Amino acid sequence: QLQLQESGPGLLKPSETLSLTCSVSGYSMSRGYFWGWVRQSPGKGLEFIANIHRDGTTHFNPSLKSRVNISLDTSQNQLSLRLTSVTAADTAVYFCVRDLIMTGLFDPWGRGTLVTVSS
Amino acid sequence: DIQMTQPPSTLSASVGDRVTISCRASQNIGKWLAWYQQKPGTAPKLLIYDASSLQSGVPRRFGGSGGGTEFSLTISSLQPDDFATYYCQQYNGSITFGPGTTVDIK
Repeated sequence: QLQLQESGPGLLKPSETLSLTCSVSGYSMSRGYFWGWVRQSPGKGLEFIANIHRDGTTHFNPSLKSRVNISLDTSQNQLSLRLTSVTAADTAVYFCVRDLIMTGLFDPWGRGTLVTVSS
Repeated sequence: DIQMTQPPSTLSASVGDRVTISCRASQNIGKWLAWYQQKPGTAPKLLIYDASSLQSGVPRRFGGSGGGTEFSLTISSLQPDDFATYYCQQYNGSITFGPGTTVDIK
């Protein structure tokens, strides 16, 4: 059974870089699909961040693109996210997702990891 | 940007009720709409895709309809496990979620 598990620091200071990892079990990421990140905050609700395919194709939320780096390590079956210059507005639960169709159909989701940005 | 709205934000219902949740897109998105269910402290779960296709493993009491700018999620007979927040999401080139409708106990 496919499972996704996010990990990363729970607390960051403004201007720091957020780095998250998603470990996937039960499915080899090298077989296909897009893999991505969605976040959820009380202020903005659910928000797509970015996704990536094993062939390197990526899609980004235009509002976050300039600060986001996404990468896939199929040998480790892991997905990574880097978000630079974080502010309080980046405080959210970050979910790792499989994208079934490239353009945004998410199933399943990881449990999510809370990231808080505070000085 | 395509905006999604879901009035009302909260809907009160009883077990056994037929419940309809609405979603509106700010422009025509064809059939490219999904519905997710989220319970407190857990991740969203995909219920419906392409406006009316039931995701594998989802109970048949869930149904989706609509197209263009107006969509609905219907629960034919509300069960205790269905009290949750429901989000619509469009995927017509870009990706946008609605703000959600919470179904609570009347």
